[in-house]
Amino acid sequence: EVQLQQSGAELGKPGTSVKLSCKVSGYNIRNTYMHWVNQRPGKGLEWIGRIDPANGNTIYAEKFKSKATLTADTSSNTAYMQLSQLKSDDTAIYFCAMMGYGYFDYWGQGVMVTVSS
Amino acid sequence: DIQMTQSPSSLPASLGDRVTITCRASQDIGNYLRWFQQKPGKSPRLMIYGATNLAAGVPSRFSGSRSGSDYSLTINSLESEDMAIYYCLQHNEYPLTFGSGTKLEIK
Repeated sequence: EVQLQQSGAELGKPGTSVKLSCKVSGYNIRNTYMHWVNQRPGKGLEWIGRIDPANGNTIYAEKFKSKATLTADTSSNTAYMQLSQLKSDDTAIYFCAMMGYGYFDYWGQGVMVTVSS
Repeated sequence: DIQMTQSPSSLPASLGDRVTITCRASQDIGNYLRWFQQKPGKSPRLMIYGATNLAAGVPSRFSGSRSGSDYSLTINSLESEDMAIYYCLQHNEYPLTFGSGTKLEIK
């Protein structure tokens, strides 16, 4: 069974960084792209970017290019997203997801990031 | 960026109704369109892929269709478990873009 297990809730102060993890079991992340999506409180889904764990290539939505950094460790089958220079507007739930061909589609449970002083 | 204009934003409906949600793409996306269902506190669940294909385990009362740049999700004979927010997603090109969501609720 494929599972994506995300790290626990984060509380970050403005101006600091947090690093979220997404550990995959049941599937080799080298064989897919890992996407990250956010959802601000009461709002819709927003695509942040994706990484190809096989070679580290990344693509970001324009607004997240200086906000998010995606990495992956194929030895531990884990993807990461670092969010930098946190602002209150970064308060959201962050999902990792593997979306591939056809109905290949798996999501993590989401992690709440709260930015507050 | 490709804009996905989703309508309606809210859809009150009764159990047993047939409902349709639509996303209009601002550029050609072929059939690279997915529909997701999201319930409170849960991750999105894939319902339709390739614009018209039912994902594994999704009830047959759900269907997807395409007419030009308009993509629709139809639910026949609405059940209480279908009450949720639905999003479309285009994955034809980067950045991927979601529709703004449709909240399906009991009238």
